[in-house]
Amino acid sequence: GAVVSQHPSRVICKSGTSVKIECRSLDFQATTMFWYRQFPKQSLMLMATSNEGSKATYEQGVEKDKFLINHASLTLSTLTVTSAHPEDSSFYICSAWGRAGEQYFGPGTRLTVT
Amino acid sequence: EDKVVQSPLSLVVHEGDTVTLNCSYEVTNFRSLLWYKQEKKAPTFLFMLTSSGIEKKSGRLSSILDKKELFSILNITATQTGDSAVYLCAVEARSQGAQKLVFGQGTRLTINP
Repeated sequence: GAVVSQHPSRVICKSGTSVKIECRSLDFQATTMFWYRQFPKQSLMLMATSNEGSKATYEQGVEKDKFLINHASLTLSTLTVTSAHPEDSSFYICSAWGRAGEQYFGPGTRLTVT
Repeated sequence: EDKVVQSPLSLVVHEGDTVTLNCSYEVTNFRSLLWYKQEKKAPTFLFMLTSSGIEKKSGRLSSILDKKELFSILNITATQTGDSAVYLCAVEARSQGAQKLVFGQGTRLTINP
């Protein structure tokens, strides 16, 4: 199946700083990638759809100025959490469509804001 | 609003038992239903279902979709402790010109030895 990687797998940052998370499709090109957030013992919540070469589409209630998404190439999307606060601490997961129409997920990034 | 509901939310059984996990949905422009298994990290893909009544099988796991009644089930037979995980159901829908997945809350399955 398709492989999606994320970096870093875990990050701890101080309140007020910004953190960048990378999502790469390793053996295929992904014109569209998705960013999800998952709080403990809850399901995945779609934050935004990242489109190569154009602006991301954000879900209702997600602040686009706080969660900056850049999809500069067919294999890389980045999510930057700006001015992070403790309530932004969560598990962030990206995904991309595989060749057969299924969606493959990256391993996730656990963000802790102190 | 698109909605996916899973039941039960939590299930504890003994090794060797058979379990059935349920997923019902209400979405516009349904395209497919997917099942994922999530352990400590990101979800891993199990099945994708697009047609009613056709069972998909992989070892002890099987799944089927009913597009008339808008639900799917995931069966696991002869359960093992390694089956303990959260099982997520997601429906692919088309909204505002874009395809996306809508996830259910998940079923937390615990298999006791």
